[in-house]
Amino acid sequence: GAGVSQSPSNKVTEKGKDVELRCDPISGHTALYWYRQSLGQGLEFLIYFQGNSAPDKSGLPSDRFSAERTGGSVSTLTIQRTQQEDSAVYLCASSYRGRLQPQHFGDGTRLSIL
Amino acid sequence: AQTVTQSQPEMSVQEAETVTLSCTYDTSESDYYLFWYKQPPSRQMILVIRQEAYKQQNATENRFSVNFQKAAKSFSLKISDSQLGDAAMYFCAYRSSYNQGGKLIFGQGTELSVKP
Repeated sequence: GAGVSQSPSNKVTEKGKDVELRCDPISGHTALYWYRQSLGQGLEFLIYFQGNSAPDKSGLPSDRFSAERTGGSVSTLTIQRTQQEDSAVYLCASSYRGRLQPQHFGDGTRLSIL
Repeated sequence: AQTVTQSQPEMSVQEAETVTLSCTYDTSESDYYLFWYKQPPSRQMILVIRQEAYKQQNATENRFSVNFQKAAKSFSLKISDSQLGDAAMYFCAYRSSYNQGGKLIFGQGTELSVKP
């Protein structure tokens, strides 16, 4: 079946603009995660959605970052007033509920802030 | 807070040889899960192998195996009979078994190159 789909694949924008990144998880997966991978770095957790529960936003670096998940499926990560330090690859993952369930990742969105 | 450390930024192996990637972690929890992910240039993270902390037996997946030393908080990945397609960035990751949202905590990664 289809994997996790992210769009756009690449995004270049000017400093100060708002951007929206989209994630379409694997059908049936109730858990959805956003991670950020800065150049040469490991992945940093941003936010987690599980079903209808309140999201875990503990990883969001500032109030310029927000995310929503509509209908328990598609998620959008929004970055307002982008800064150069926001340049990174943003990866989305989804999984079934369960502690050992593996997270399946998308190809990510490479965001470049000029 | 839990941390994951990969002390080898780069490793190299000859095709058909064996290589071991190191990973250590810090936690006060007794029950957790450990993972190795592979990230080729395509950027997609691919699960290689996983280990449950309460299992003493080391996990094995074909040419990939781990050496899990719980007391030492060490979780190394061994790749046997290395192939050109194994060249990638490898990340070690920790996941709490408690209600912390299931997020993965990643190490900084080890870039593996395979020489023909």
